[in-house]
Amino acid sequence: GIQVEQSPPDLILQEGANSTLRCNFSDSVNNLQWFHQNPWGQLINLFYIPSGTKQNGRLSATTVATERYSLLYISSSQTTDSGVYFCAVGSSQTGANNLFFGTGTRLTVIP
Amino acid sequence: NAGVTQTPKFQVLKTGQSMTLQCAQDMNHEYMSWYRQDPGMGLRLIHYSVGAGITDQGEVPNGYNVSRSTTEDFPLRLLSAAPSQTSVYFCASSYSQSGTGLETQYFGPGTRLLVL
Repeated sequence: GIQVEQSPPDLILQEGANSTLRCNFSDSVNNLQWFHQNPWGQLINLFYIPSGTKQNGRLSATTVATERYSLLYISSSQTTDSGVYFCAVGSSQTGANNLFFGTGTRLTVIP
Repeated sequence: NAGVTQTPKFQVLKTGQSMTLQCAQDMNHEYMSWYRQDPGMGLRLIHYSVGAGITDQGEVPNGYNVSRSTTEDFPLRLLSAAPSQTSVYFCASSYSQSGTGLETQYFGPGTRLLVL
């Protein structure tokens, strides 16, 4: 399968601060998604972004497929941003819908 | 739309017991899958299906069976539960049209399983 490494593993922020989460992957992919797992365990899709840049409110993501990494930016963080952020990838060789997950970045936003 | 639903939310089993975890989606998605999430690890794919009547193994299929008789339902069966199968199980669904962005996956709320 595809190896996915996320950094940092843990991140503590003061409310209002900005952060960048990184995802490195070991092979070419044609599917890359970022998920947020909230403290209740629900997984919410944030971005489908196998290449390029997307923005959704205070969140944005960039994937540089040729260099095999993706970045998730969180600006003006809020306590509701707390949780674990997962990067997941898929390729046509393994089935684009079959996702390989990283171990996540646990974000804690302090009021 | 209810999205992806899973039952039960929580289950305790004894070693050797069997059970079925239910998953249903009402979005007419062709692709459905089961993942398990263990502490400190990301999700790992157990089995998946690209349509009714078609299933295949993922990364960690041993000890689990699946079937897909309808587009909506994708149950996961534990044949003889073991403590190593204690985990949180997530079902997911999406369209299976590669390269279109429709692979965006929607996850159910999870089933927390404890095997004693």
